[in-house]
Amino acid sequence: EAQVTQNPRYLITVTGKKLTVTCSQNMNHEYMSWYRQDPGLGLRQIYYSMNVEVTDKGDVPEGYKVSRKEKRNFPLILESPSPNQTSLYFCASSFGPIGTHAYKQYFGPGTRLTVT
Amino acid sequence: DAKTTQPPSMDCAEGRAANLPCNHSTISGNEYVYWYRQIHSQGPQYIIHGLKNNETNEMASLIITEDRKSSTLILPHATLRDTAVYYCIVRAMDSNYQLIWGAGTKLIIKP
Repeated sequence: EAQVTQNPRYLITVTGKKLTVTCSQNMNHEYMSWYRQDPGLGLRQIYYSMNVEVTDKGDVPEGYKVSRKEKRNFPLILESPSPNQTSLYFCASSFGPIGTHAYKQYFGPGTRLTVT
Repeated sequence: DAKTTQPPSMDCAEGRAANLPCNHSTISGNEYVYWYRQIHSQGPQYIIHGLKNNETNEMASLIITEDRKSSTLILPHATLRDTAVYYCIVRAMDSNYQLIWGAGTKLIIKP
């Protein structure tokens, strides 16, 4: 089954304790993204990756890091989490680049992060 | 920056067609319009996308005006499971890889 998986699904942590949210897709997609969603707002892109070892900042990259060492995995790293990073996080992947007919994103189930 | 405008909420009776409007007056000539929906707090789900011509798939139809400044997503026979937030999305003008997500339209299907 084609899917994007994220782990963990729920996480409560304390300020400053480094954490990683994993994301994996089994569709051989080149493009992957991380988004955060806060109440009443649409999705805001944190980082995206066009291929292995190619990443770039989205709208709200401050406080986050990513890596793309393998095509299927795109982990999101919070080196020193703060309460303003409490949010719902989504990973997504697509076969083709944005603006093309092939840009159909598949989303993971989400990770609800609480930083106290 | 290219962006979209959608009504914040809409109601529709079960079994009727739900018509969700979107204004994207700043869209450029070669940009696609994408529609996604999000049920409760699940991951967004792709519905349909289009460029100039009307599009139809198993989920919905997309009607794009000739000047491309607006579009309408049509769910032909809405069911209670179609209750969700619907997002109309276009690409950010200064980026090749970013989409602009607004707040969407909360569609409530009533029995």
